Amino acid sequence: EVQLVESGGGLVQSGGSLRLSCAVSGFTFRSYALSWVRQAPGKGLEWVSGISGSGAGTYYADSVKGRFTISRDTSKNTLYLQMNSLRAADTAIYYCAKGSFYGDLIFDFWGQGTLVTVSS
Amino acid sequence: ETVLTQSPATLSLSPGDRATLSCRASQSVGTFLAWYQQKPGQSPRLLIYDASNRATGIPARFSGSGSGTDFTLTISSLEPEDFAVYYCQQRSNWPGTFGPGTKVDIK
Repeated sequence: EVQLVESGGGLVQSGGSLRLSCAVSGFTFRSYALSWVRQAPGKGLEWVSGISGSGAGTYYADSVKGRFTISRDTSKNTLYLQMNSLRAADTAIYYCAKGSFYGDLIFDFWGQGTLVTVSS
Repeated sequence: ETVLTQSPATLSLSPGDRATLSCRASQSVGTFLAWYQQKPGQSPRLLIYDASNRATGIPARFSGSGSGTDFTLTISSLEPEDFAVYYCQQRSNWPGTFGPGTKVDIK
């Protein structure tokens, strides 16, 4: 059974940092791209960042470029998102999403999400 | 960056009705378009990928069509569990942008 379990969310002050983790199981970790997708309270989905299966390719939304860093640890089957210089606009539920066999950006499994709240 | 727009913003229908949701891209995405369903308090669920392919376990009442810039998600006969928000998403290039969503609620 495929599982993605996010952790690391919480309350942080504007300008602060936070590291999110996503522990995955049930599939060959290095074979699939992974992404972070966020959802501000009462709003729609926003793709934030993605990383290829090998980890060689990393991609960012313009809104987080230069502030967030995505990485993956094959030995721990875990995806990370290091978030620096946080802003109130970064407040959201952050989902970890797995790319599928059909495409890196076709998300066939999602985690339950972790809430990040940035206070100003 | 490719921008997706969805219409209508809200669709008020009754169980058994046919639902037709639209997604338009600011530039051609070929058939690289997916649809997701999200219910309150839940994570999104993949319904359709590459415009017309149903994901594993998705009922046949869900169908997708379109190519280029205009796409449609059709729910042939709404079941009570289908009332939710539906998002389209393009994967033609990074970033994989999402549309703003269409809420299908009970009339």
